[in-house]
Order: sequence, then C-alpha cells, then structure tokens
Amino acid sequence: DTAVSQTPKYLVTQMGNDKSIKCEQNLGHDTMYWYKQDSKKFLKIMFSYNNKELIINETVPNRFSPKSPDKAHLNLHINSLELGDSAVYFCASSQDHAGVELRIFPETQYFGPGTRLLVL
Amino acid sequence: GQNIDQPTEMTATEGAIVQINCTYQTSGFNGLFWYQQHAGEAPTFLSYNVLDGLEEKGRFSSFLSRSKGYSYLLLKELQMKDSASYLCAVMDSNYQLIWGAGTKLIIKP
Repeated sequence: DTAVSQTPKYLVTQMGNDKSIKCEQNLGHDTMYWYKQDSKKFLKIMFSYNNKELIINETVPNRFSPKSPDKAHLNLHINSLELGDSAVYFCASSQDHAGVELRIFPETQYFGPGTRLLVL
Repeated sequence: GQNIDQPTEMTATEGAIVQINCTYQTSGFNGLFWYQQHAGEAPTFLSYNVLDGLEEKGRFSSFLSRSKGYSYLLLKELQMKDSASYLCAVMDSNYQLIWGAGTKLIIKP
C-alpha cells in the first residue's frame, strides 16, 4: 500500500515543453506539499495545499502551477521547461498544516518517491 | 536570513557510534526534525524535538539545545544500511520547514 505516490518516476523532456507531475495520497491527510531537491540536495518547498487552499507559495516562477482536484491529489504543472528545472521533485503530505491549528507536535510529513526531471 | 548548517559528509565504521551535528538560525522555532534519505529515495521521518534534551528511539537518539541553536543525531551500533543522507529541518515561526543540505554518512566495514 503506497501512502504517497507520484507519477512519473522519471521524466526526460526538451526545453520549452509543458509537463505535469501527478501526486496522490491515500492517508486521508489534509495538507499536501511540493518540494524541489536540486543537485546540491537542498529541499526547497514550492507549494502546499490545505483543503484546496494554497497556504504557501514560495518565490517560484509562475511557470509552475499546482492543481488540486481534491484533497487526495496535488498535481504540479510546469510550462515552458528550462534547463534549470532539472531536479528531483517530491510530493509530501501531512495530517494538518501546523499553521492552521496550534499543536504541540506538528504533523510529520510523508514523502512520495520523487520524480526525477531532466530537461535537455 | 535563515540558516541550517550540517557537515557535508561523515565516515564511520560498522558497529561504531556517530554523531551528526546541526546548528540553526531561524526566525522563531517550532521544533526540529531529522529525516533519513537513502540515495535515490524519498526522505523518511526519524525524530522530532521541541524541548531541550535527549530523545531516544532504539539505535537512534536526537538531542536539542534551543539556547545554543544546536541539535545532534546519534546513531549507535552502526549498520551498513545506515549509509544515507541525514537531513536536519527546523520549523520556523510561520510553521515552515527550513531544510539543511543534509549530511552524507558513509559506513565502512
């Protein structure tokens, strides 16, 4: 039983193309996230969604757009791909966004297997 | 600015003990996480500290000193499967996770 799944696992494409990465979680969590991990291994948060509402939108190019058809899915659409977009993209989910409710123990984030994007 | 510092790489011997340090400077503090990430895989949760002191969980322990902005992850009885990157992440006052670059731990027989 895969808790957080992503497709595709690998994506090789040409500059200028538009692509989407899909993410699904079957944990019943309220919040989902997209992270980018570059070659230096820094995990940088891109977006999070809580009950279909965008909570965090870091300074990412507007070529990146998250789409959430329901709370179990958060897809990432990328327009006009550039060489610098090559990275591993991780989807994650947690039960509650800690900013929504003050909790002593912020909920752990569970990560998907990652999508390795290579832009040529 | 916000900053998380960890050593880039460490090497240890199977069966030994290793301590991975993490220092942080963040706008506010709502806890510190340690994650393990094997090469080519997703990060997985190891521990969470929000109060000062040592949290022990099997072979792994995590320590926090909020006044010093310092944490460490202690791994005992090292096994080859412990070879991985260990990521330190701090939750700031906005409940955003600020991630370190990770420490690559190499275990030698």
